[in-house]
Amino acid sequence: AQSVTQLGSHVSVSEGALVLLRCNYSSSVPPYLFWYVQYPNQGLQLLLKYTSAATLVKGINGFEAEFKKSETSFHLTKPSAHMSDAAEYFCAVTKFNNDMRFGAGTRLTVKP
Amino acid sequence: DGGITQSPKYLFRKEGQNVTLSCEQNLNHDAMYWYRQDPGQGLRLIYYSQIVNDFQKGDIAEGYSVSREKKESFPLTVTSAQKNPTAFYLCASSTSEPYGYTFGSGTRLTVV
Repeated sequence: AQSVTQLGSHVSVSEGALVLLRCNYSSSVPPYLFWYVQYPNQGLQLLLKYTSAATLVKGINGFEAEFKKSETSFHLTKPSAHMSDAAEYFCAVTKFNNDMRFGAGTRLTVKP
Repeated sequence: DGGITQSPKYLFRKEGQNVTLSCEQNLNHDAMYWYRQDPGQGLRLIYYSQIVNDFQKGDIAEGYSVSREKKESFPLTVTSAQKNPTAFYLCASSTSEPYGYTFGSGTRLTVV
């Protein structure tokens, strides 16, 4: 069965610094991978998705992620953090049957 | 605009009562899902439905029930058998393709 592991339940960065949120996946077949963002008391919003096309995926709000099969990773990055990026981020994996599995989440704090 | 509507946003329940959370979508999605979110535990799947009049148990179905009489609607009932129902509940929907889920804005249930 597929699964994802998010390394670090909390990440803190300064405004303007690089954001790096880590996600490793486990899947017996080529996966579909996703990053979602959740603001307090709201639902999840899709940031970006990898569906076996380009390995570098660009999403909304300046985020991007790179699929690395050799490392089974799909880390989320943003060159320069903004205060509005403070939220919880979830990595998720599914196969063709759309049985999506979510990571435990990483809470991003942005310091002024 | 198409989307998913969850209501109410906040719900208070007395111990021993059943309560029903509403989830409606106008995206023409075949599949719908219910998740429970607790702090630090990510999302846990309660029930899902891939077609009308059919639904499957997820990882934590005990104490919950659902129905899928219409494509647009997937209500969740939290029964008195659920021992610890205080949580944030999220409804989601998707097509049959693995392109990601669309989430509602959630219902926060509190037992008083």
